[in-house]
Amino acid sequence: SQTIHQWPATLVQPVGSPLSLECTVEGTSNPNLYWYRQAAGRGLQLLFYSVGIGQISSEVPQNLSASRPQDRQFILSSKKLLLSDSGFYLCAWSVEETMVQFFGPGTRLTVL
Amino acid sequence: AQRVTQPEKLLSVFKGAPVELKCNYSYSGSPELFWYVQYSRQRLQLLLRHISRESIKGFTADLNKGETSFHLKKPFAQEEDSAMYYCALRTGNQFYFGTGTSLTVIP
Repeated sequence: SQTIHQWPATLVQPVGSPLSLECTVEGTSNPNLYWYRQAAGRGLQLLFYSVGIGQISSEVPQNLSASRPQDRQFILSSKKLLLSDSGFYLCAWSVEETMVQFFGPGTRLTVL
Repeated sequence: AQRVTQPEKLLSVFKGAPVELKCNYSYSGSPELFWYVQYSRQRLQLLLRHISRESIKGFTADLNKGETSFHLKKPFAQEEDSAMYYCALRTGNQFYFGTGTSLTVIP
């Protein structure tokens, strides 16, 4: 069966520090991968999605970037965190046949 | 632009009462709509999608293109229905979520 992992589960970082959040999927090939930010009162905001290795689409201009070095690995990064980057980050995957999304457990990021 | 609106942030109903969670969308093409649910301490997960035309856990949702709505309904709410509900619109590989409605079913 398919599973999706995210780590770390929680992270506290100072302003200006770098960020790397990792997401991996098991049990499926060539999934579409997504990064979302879930903020209170704002729902889920799509940040990036990827339909293949090295293919990244950005939804909103921001302080973050994403990379997909392997088929089932999706990384969210920042060179210098801002206070406004605090939030709950969700990774998700889907396949073309159904386009149903399956979500990871999320990472709670606090920038101080 | 694609947009999903869930006008109610919080909704409380008594057990056994009907419940309706509202969702309106704005999209110029043919929409594909979903309802996702997040129970306490669990991951966000699919509840139902409009193309399946199915009832899941007693919930149904009908796409009304004239009113551009996809409201989620259940005739008799149960305590275990208490959760956060998100309406979502898919266009191509992109998904747009509403701000969510937190449903509380009062025993």
